[in-house]
Amino acid sequence: AQKITQTQPGMFVQEKEAVTLDCTYDTSDQSYGLFWYKQPSSGEMIFLIYQGSYDEQNATEGRYSLNFQKARKSANLVISASQLGDSAMYFCAMREGVNRDDKIIFGKGTRLHILP
Amino acid sequence: GAVVSQHPSRVICKSGTSVKIECRSLDFQATTMFWYRQFPKQSLMLMATSNEGSKATYEQGVEKDKFLINHASLTLSTLTVTSAHPEDSSFYICSAPLAGGPHEQFFGPGTRLTVL
Repeated sequence: AQKITQTQPGMFVQEKEAVTLDCTYDTSDQSYGLFWYKQPSSGEMIFLIYQGSYDEQNATEGRYSLNFQKARKSANLVISASQLGDSAMYFCAMREGVNRDDKIIFGKGTRLHILP
Repeated sequence: GAVVSQHPSRVICKSGTSVKIECRSLDFQATTMFWYRQFPKQSLMLMATSNEGSKATYEQGVEKDKFLINHASLTLSTLTVTSAHPEDSSFYICSAPLAGGPHEQFFGPGTRLTVL
């Protein structure tokens, strides 16, 4: 069974609009972390945002926010005021456990296209 | 800080040869590093966890005799693809956590392997 599910293979969004990328996860651990990474066509992995399972408030980093709904096991990424440079592949990922050296597994990703 | 490099960035080799890929943490020590492979337009698949001073931990389905991992020092892990075949052609990317640092893992820029 997939641990990280991203149901949107691709999305097209008009520039300056907000966009929500969906992510659901499956774990029986009480302690875990959720991540979003951006991968442009160059291939580099760019960290966007992190949410710990015990964090009560949704994480925010600039234009990025994570809509964390623990009971639903969802961790959607919201990008406000989208820009052309946001066009990229976006991966949701999970680390089971609290240690920095626990492994991280990735969802299949969502390709986001920002339209001018 | 927390920069990870990989060498080479691209490599082309003949079928049957072995290829070594290096992953270095440039400004921090990493007792643990992770190796992923990524096929075109697909997700990052975790191959193995590289542990300094001990054997690597391989994910299910990954052939440890084919993908040799050596973590010889606190700043270097190597992945050797032995007897490479065209189906091994992929994007290989490593990552490392920063002990006591931010939650995210720091990724190398990746190595594009093409086996002819």
